[in-house]
Amino acid sequence: QKEVEQNSGPLSVPEGAIASLNCTYSDRVSQSFFWYRQYSGKSPELIMSIYSNGDKEDGRFTAQLNKASQYVSLLIRDSQPSDSATYLCAVNEGDMRFGAGTRLTVKP
Amino acid sequence: EADIYQTPRYLVIGTGKKITLECSQTMGHDKMYWYQQDPGMELHLIHYSYGVNSTEKGDLSSESTVSRIRTEHFPLTLESARPSHTSQYLCASSGGLLSYNEQFFGPGTRLTVL
Repeated sequence: QKEVEQNSGPLSVPEGAIASLNCTYSDRVSQSFFWYRQYSGKSPELIMSIYSNGDKEDGRFTAQLNKASQYVSLLIRDSQPSDSATYLCAVNEGDMRFGAGTRLTVKP
Repeated sequence: EADIYQTPRYLVIGTGKKITLECSQTMGHDKMYWYQQDPGMELHLIHYSYGVNSTEKGDLSSESTVSRIRTEHFPLTLESARPSHTSQYLCASSGGLLSYNEQFFGPGTRLTVL
């Protein structure tokens, strides 16, 4: 069983809509959680980190963490075509575990 | 902002050649990592280091080797390259004072073995 699960997508949303990306993890002792954005042919770029239950907002991005449900999500408000990328969920449980990524396409 | 560098960015070589992929970071991070990623596929951890003279193999079996003689430098070596080694190799580091577990990635080396 994979330790960090993401829907591979592709997820397609119209420009201006909210994109919702989801991630579940298996290790209950995980303490830190991250979202990376990876454009095609580029390296992953850290966009959000979250350590406590609840929401954390940074500009158009909101990360949500629910440790009881072992669930972390990323919301992108007012989605732009430039947000089209693969989004990687990562969970630190002693070692960092990456999900396989969700491919997001924002259509103009 | 993370400063992590990889050279070369692109490399095309013939089968059987020995190659070294360079990775350096200027943040003084303790931890460094090498990942392998094929286009459109997930990241696979192949090596990591928690400090000088510390190296460990990752989840994905790899014929490469690494060394960590200096904090800032974590080179990866393939003794005899094969076409199956064709991939993108990503170096990362972590260990900042305020964000100890956040990993920052270098730009990657795209390796093609003919």
